[in-house]
Amino acid sequence: QTVVTQEPSFSVSPGGTVTLTCGLSSGSVSTSHYPSWYQQIPGQAPRTLIYSTDSRSSGVPDRFSGSILGNKAALTIAGAQADDESDYYCVLYMGAAFWVFGGGTRLTVL
Amino acid sequence: QVQVVESGGGVVQPGKSLRLSCAASGFSFSNYATQWVRQAPGKGLEWVAFISSDQVKKLYADSVKGRFTISRDDSKNTLYLQMNSLRAEDTAVYYCARIWFGYYYMDVWGKGTTVTVSS
Repeated sequence: QTVVTQEPSFSVSPGGTVTLTCGLSSGSVSTSHYPSWYQQIPGQAPRTLIYSTDSRSSGVPDRFSGSILGNKAALTIAGAQADDESDYYCVLYMGAAFWVFGGGTRLTVL
Repeated sequence: QVQVVESGGGVVQPGKSLRLSCAASGFSFSNYATQWVRQAPGKGLEWVAFISSDQVKKLYADSVKGRFTISRDDSKNTLYLQMNSLRAEDTAVYYCARIWFGYYYMDVWGKGTTVTVSS
C-alpha cells in the first residue's frame, strides 16, 4: 500500500522560512507524481496552493513555492505570516486516475 | 464564477443510506473529471471516489467500495455520491473537487457537506 509521508507538525517564526516535505513510503517522489499542495484552515475547505510540483495556483502569493528536494516533494513558505498557520496536505498522482493524500502537516507560526 | 457546491449531508443511523450532490457552475462540467474527498473529525483528507468526464471510469477507496456509488448528470451539472450501509466511520465532511487532468490536481473545491452516522 502506498503511503505518502509528511511531517505531522512544524513551527516557524513570523518572517521565517519553512520547508515542508512529502515523501513516499517506498521509492522517490518525482515530477511524474505531479505533486500538489493544499492549504486548509481548520473548519474551512482546502485551497489549492501548488500543482505539478512547482506551479502556483491563481492568487497564491509567491512566498509559496514548490520543488523536488532529493527524493521528496517540498513546499517552501518564505516570510511566514500569522495567517499561514494552517494544515498543509500533499497529494501525489500515482497514475490511472489514482491519487494518494499525505497525512498533512500542521504549521504553527509563533 | 467557477464553483462547486455540495449538499445532502445530515445525520443518519448506521446501516441507512444518504445521497450527496455537488452542483457545478461557471464551467463546462461535462468536460471535467471530478471526485469526492472526505475528512473525518480531527483527521486528514481521504480520497473517496473518482469519476471520469465520460463516466467510463469510476474508482473507489477500499473503505467504501461496494457501499458507495459515484455518478453524474451532465444535463444538470451535478455530481452525486450514493452512500449505502453507512457506518460510524463514514462520519466526515465530504468535499467535491474538480480535477484538472492536464496537471493531475484538484483545482476547484466545494465548502463541503457534513455527514454524521450515529444512532
